[in-house]
Amino acid sequence: GAVVSQHPSRVICKSGTSVKIECRSLDFQATTMFWYRQFPKQSLMLMATSNEGSKATYEQGVEKDKFLINHASLTLSTLTVTSAHPEDSSFYICSARTGTGNTIYFGEGSWLTVV
Amino acid sequence: GEDVEQSLFLSVREGDSSVINCTYTDSSSTYLYWYKQEPGAGLQLLTYIFSNMDMKQDQRLTVLLNKKDKHLSLRIADTQTGDSAIYFCAETPRSNDYKLSFGAGTTVTVRA
Repeated sequence: GAVVSQHPSRVICKSGTSVKIECRSLDFQATTMFWYRQFPKQSLMLMATSNEGSKATYEQGVEKDKFLINHASLTLSTLTVTSAHPEDSSFYICSARTGTGNTIYFGEGSWLTVV
Repeated sequence: GEDVEQSLFLSVREGDSSVINCTYTDSSSTYLYWYKQEPGAGLQLLTYIFSNMDMKQDQRLTVLLNKKDKHLSLRIADTQTGDSAIYFCAETPRSNDYKLSFGAGTTVTVRA
């Protein structure tokens, strides 16, 4: 079964609104979670690294005010896409690193469609 | 990512072996991973190998690592239709705290 769960799996929102995507590690504590974005037929692009109890570290070119990341607990990280625009429509995937550090599991992904 | 390269497509007959190849550039890579992605789904961790290993076998999967040539391969024995998917190679350099660099993905199509 899945060890990392994302919710919602699919969401449609209106342009200008905000939408939150949750990433939960099941049965293990994840001090570090990662958020990726994937365009159709392309590879994954790392957006940010989320550390529990501290501010996220964003990759170059990723707008931190637009993609708000909160890692409130050892099992939950959230990505909020603020003032969404159609170009934000994408597949967003999170991953979590286990305590031993060498195993990284991914969530099922969340499809965001902005209309 | 530009640091990890994979061939884009592989077609294989059901029952044959599939071999997916990957090359990487960062010699400090500590762990190398293979993930499987089915249409519309997230990534499923298939296996990973530590950089001081040459080979790892797990049921139908065999990973070979040539560290000198920075070449990684995934062999799937007795390929089945359910193995049709995109396979991503990924590496994590020692220095960057487990941020994965992905290849573009290899689309494997299994034909009857």
